[in-house]
Amino acid sequence: TQLLEQSPQFLSIQEGENLTVYCNSSSVFSSLQWYRQEPGEGPVLLVTVVTGGEVKKLKRLTFQFGDARKDSSLHITAAQPGDTGLYLCAGVPGGGNKLTFGTGTQLKVEL
Amino acid sequence: KAGVTQTPRYLIKTRGQQVTLSCSPISGHRSVSWYQQTPGQGLQFLFEYFSETQRNKGNFPGRFSGRQFSNSRSEMNVSTLELGDSALYLCASSLISPSNYGYTFGSGTRLTVV
Repeated sequence: TQLLEQSPQFLSIQEGENLTVYCNSSSVFSSLQWYRQEPGEGPVLLVTVVTGGEVKKLKRLTFQFGDARKDSSLHITAAQPGDTGLYLCAGVPGGGNKLTFGTGTQLKVEL
Repeated sequence: KAGVTQTPRYLIKTRGQQVTLSCSPISGHRSVSWYQQTPGQGLQFLFEYFSETQRNKGNFPGRFSGRQFSNSRSEMNVSTLELGDSALYLCASSLISPSNYGYTFGSGTRLTVV
């Protein structure tokens, strides 16, 4: 059983559409991070959310941390082909000390 | 500034052999972690080193080992390779703690065991 479950697992959309990716857990996290990974490369850190209920915006990307700090979401507005990649959430569960990654969401944005 | 450098990028080994992978973190980063990435299991934590000491360890067999040198460079070793060890091995560095500062990842070493 994965500590961090992401949904959907795969997403294929047209350019200009909006989408939301979810990261859920039964554990409480002190913070959650989101990464994007492109083929042949390592993941790249996009954002860290720390406070329950926190919302962070990075251009067309909006990240939200759940009030109970057990879940997070990533919303992309007007997706572009350059957004294509594997999106990963990651966090250290309460009482733990290892950064654990979610199951991943593979996003493909087509012209 | 230079990113995280992993060598080699690609490696093909035979079952039963051993392999050593190398990672040079970002200058000033003292925490270095290793992950195994496979299509079926995703990113699995191997271990983390901080100031030459193993600070955390994942649930991998003893065939997987690592070390960190005084300049923060790190190596991981896999002995008695098995077909299931074929994966992308990623090294990541962080200033002090990845939970607070996040990781900077290298491009990985693609290991194929035949």
